Amino acid sequence: QKEVEQNSGPLSVPEGAIASLNCTYSDRGSQSFFWYRQYSGKSPELIMFIYSNGDKEDGRFTAQLNKASQYVSLLIRDSQPSDSATYLCAVTYGGSQGNLIFGKGTKLSVKP
Amino acid sequence: EAGVTQFPSHSVIEKGQTVTLRCDPISGHDNLYWYRRVMGKEIKFLLHFVKESKQDESGMPNNRFLAERTGGTYSTLKVQPAELEDSGVYFCASSQENYGYTFGSGTRLTVV
Repeated sequence: QKEVEQNSGPLSVPEGAIASLNCTYSDRGSQSFFWYRQYSGKSPELIMFIYSNGDKEDGRFTAQLNKASQYVSLLIRDSQPSDSATYLCAVTYGGSQGNLIFGKGTKLSVKP
Repeated sequence: EAGVTQFPSHSVIEKGQTVTLRCDPISGHDNLYWYRRVMGKEIKFLLHFVKESKQDESGMPNNRFLAERTGGTYSTLKVQPAELEDSGVYFCASSQENYGYTFGSGTRLTVV
């Protein structure tokens, strides 16, 4: 059973702080890793994807992947109230044809 | 470009009735996916089309669910007869490069 685990939260951080979201996955065959943001009642929106060990930065967002530890994280720098949402970690096992396996999501709240 | 469109956005039906959900992917996207989120659970994969062919239907819960994608454009997901446990949010997603899917806003199905 392939699983993706996330703390459900809520994770509360003050405006301007760094928010750190974590995700572990069960199967070493995982190939691609995604972070989605979902506002209440809306569709998941892709924030970042990462395939290789290490860090990948895009604006205020940094994804970190450690395949040996089966761990992927998302850092949000200079957090804003508009970042308040549920963040979903997802992995694929089938390469470019892979279907997403999601975690339950971590609810982030950024306090002004 | 227009995003992934799903309708209806909400549907309330009685147990035993039939419901058909529709998804219009982004124009030109060969890959179309159906996912479902049951309350309190993670988003789960149901089915993957490549053009009009079913690439993977391993996530379909049972034979009460039927998905079609005639002509490789829009897709329908029919539930017949609906049961209480079918309630949830049904998401459709499409992609062309097979990464970074774009999700629709979902159909919230309530079976009473």
